[in-house]
Amino acid sequence: DAGVIQSPRHEVTEMGQEVTLRCKPISGHNSLFWYRQTMMRGLELLIYFNNNVPIDDSGMPEDRFSAKMPNASFSTLKIQPSEPRDSAVYFCASRLTSVGEQYFGPGTRLTVT
Amino acid sequence: QQQVKQSPQSLIVQKGGISIINCAYENTAFDYFPWYQQFPGKGPALLIAIRPDVSEKKEGRFTISFNKSAKQFSLHIMDSQPGDSATYFCAAMRGNTGTASKLTFGTGTRLQVTL
Repeated sequence: DAGVIQSPRHEVTEMGQEVTLRCKPISGHNSLFWYRQTMMRGLELLIYFNNNVPIDDSGMPEDRFSAKMPNASFSTLKIQPSEPRDSAVYFCASRLTSVGEQYFGPGTRLTVT
Repeated sequence: QQQVKQSPQSLIVQKGGISIINCAYENTAFDYFPWYQQFPGKGPALLIAIRPDVSEKKEGRFTISFNKSAKQFSLHIMDSQPGDSATYFCAAMRGNTGTASKLTFGTGTRLQVTL
C-alpha cells in the first residue's frame, strides 16, 4: 500500500500567487482530512470530507482557502492569493471508517515569500 | 469543551529512563484516545490508542494510562531510546457520531532521549 500521497512535497511561491496542494488518500478510505502545522499553532484541522462531501470546514482560516474532493481518490487545497503567514506544513490524512485509524501523508512544506 | 491540554511542551530523558507525557480533556463524550508520534519531516503516525472501557493499554515499551474520573490520560515510554526522540501528540475523539467524528489534538511534546 502506497499510503497517503501528497504533492508537491515542497512549494515556494511569492505572495499573491495561487497555490494548489494535492492529496491522494489510501484506496478505499472514505474520510479525508486537511491539516496545517506551524510552530505557533500546532496541528490545526482545516477541513474534512466524508464520501467526498465536506463535513466540517470551520477550521478554514479565510475565504482565500478552498478545498475540493471531486472523487474518492483525489483532493485539492487551494490558497488564492497566498500570503507569507500561510507558510506552514500542510498534511492530508485519510481514514477507512468514521472511527478508524487516521493515516497521515508526508506533508507539503509551503513557503510564501 | 473540545480542548485537549498536553504537557510538558518538551522533555529530555536519559537513555533507559521513563518518559511520561500527560493529557487532559474536557468533553466527557470523547471515547477514543490515540497517541501519535511524529519524526522530523514526516507526518504523524498512530502509536497506540485506548478506549475508556479499560484503564491501561500496553504495547511493547509504550503504555497508555487512562483515568476516566479525572479526565486524564498519559503515555509512558519505558526504557526510552534515542530512536524514540520525536514529537508526541495526544488526541481525543467522540466516535459514535457517524460522519462527524474528528480528532482533537493536543499541542505536542517534543521528546529528546539522550545517551
